[in-house]
Amino acid sequence: ETGVTQTPRHLVMGMTNKKSLKCEQHLGHNAMYWYKQSAKKPLELMFVYNFKEQTENNSVPSRFSPECPNSSHLFLHLHTLQPEDSALYLCASSQVLPTGGIDYGYTFGSGTRLTVV
Amino acid sequence: GQQLNQSPQSMFIQEGEDVSMNCTSSSIFNTWLWYKQDPGEGPVLLIALYKAGELTSNGRLTAQFGITRKDSFLNISASIPSDVGIYFCAGLTGYALNFGKGTSLLVTP
Repeated sequence: ETGVTQTPRHLVMGMTNKKSLKCEQHLGHNAMYWYKQSAKKPLELMFVYNFKEQTENNSVPSRFSPECPNSSHLFLHLHTLQPEDSALYLCASSQVLPTGGIDYGYTFGSGTRLTVV
Repeated sequence: GQQLNQSPQSMFIQEGEDVSMNCTSSSIFNTWLWYKQDPGEGPVLLIALYKAGELTSNGRLTAQFGITRKDSFLNISASIPSDVGIYFCAGLTGYALNFGKGTSLLVTP
């Protein structure tokens, strides 16, 4: 496997279900991100993990719960979602430099298309 | 996050034509990035710009980092059908990327 891998590619879940999205990066990067992509909206940053520590949570509802057990794996745990949470969820990774910037932008996975019914 | 205004929202062109799209912001960025997203896939990095005034090419793609550090443009020359997709600009603050809403490009043979 190379790059950033996301599973599953598609997920349909009921509002009372609990599910998890998985992301794995094979690039040796030290930061990982969750983005939400809805139709006609910019990509919305949800969570940032730098060196496994959560450094940003952009006012995301508690029904989304991230987990970063190590620098290569990132999960997004979902429970009691709403239909408006249906979207493409993208994971990305990057190499954060000692200066605080990043090297060569983010590498994105192919995303999980989530439909909440 | 900071808002990036990307235009045009969509373009419908014929194969062989040149394309130009741009991105502006009220905030200064130290790095501008351009991504392309194909249907059902994640965005893929096309060009990264690190200095104000920088002009960078990647094949038929050329992008520039505006002097004011608040804008950037992307040009595609001699478009081909596989250029179809959504093009996003992104500005970097620290290690957080802020994205524009994207320009949807359709190319007819």
